[in-house]
Amino acid sequence: QKEVEQNSGPLSVPEGAIASLNCTYSDRGSQSFFWYRQYSGKSPELIMSIYSNGDKEDGRFTAQLNKASQYVSLLIRDSQPSDSATYLCAGSGAGSYQLTFGKGTKLSVIP
Amino acid sequence: GAVVSQHPSWVICKSGTSVKIECRSLDFQATTMFWYRQFPKQSLMLMATSNEGSKATYEQGVEKDKFLINHASLTLSTLTVTSAHPEDSSFYICSARDFGAVRANYGYTFGSGTRLTVV
Repeated sequence: QKEVEQNSGPLSVPEGAIASLNCTYSDRGSQSFFWYRQYSGKSPELIMSIYSNGDKEDGRFTAQLNKASQYVSLLIRDSQPSDSATYLCAGSGAGSYQLTFGKGTKLSVIP
Repeated sequence: GAVVSQHPSWVICKSGTSVKIECRSLDFQATTMFWYRQFPKQSLMLMATSNEGSKATYEQGVEKDKFLINHASLTLSTLTVTSAHPEDSSFYICSARDFGAVRANYGYTFGSGTRLTVV
């Protein structure tokens, strides 16, 4: 069974610090990975997608993928209180359009 | 970017009645849409995959006769919760992917969700 694991948190970081969110996956066939942010009572919104080993940067966000270790991470630089949310990691396998979601990590950025 | 519109945002219905939720892709065609359910403090659980012009594919444990899915066009999928019961109260979210989007950061776009409360 395909699984995506995340530490549920909560993860608390002070404003301006780097928040590091981690995710592991069990399906070696997974090829595409996504990080979503979900505010309480709202639907998820896409932050980053990553398909290749290495880092991918977009503004304050950096996604990292290590397929050998089956590990995906999201770094948030200069964390802001508005970044406080639950972050969902998701992966999809080869030839599959379905996403498998982790349970999410709740991030709190303390002013 | 890809936009998915979902209605209604919230609905309260009486036990035993049916509720229809609509999901529309506004600026792209979606041959496939996904329906999720999320209980409080839980992650998204895929209920079914909606395919335009064919029957939906339901995940194990999801009653297809209770959760009716219709995907009659390339931009519209509907989920009908039939004979709703209080345990069906949840946050229902649809999702679609624009396969024509630039690969750089494409992903699955979610609708705004429908909070269903069955009393």
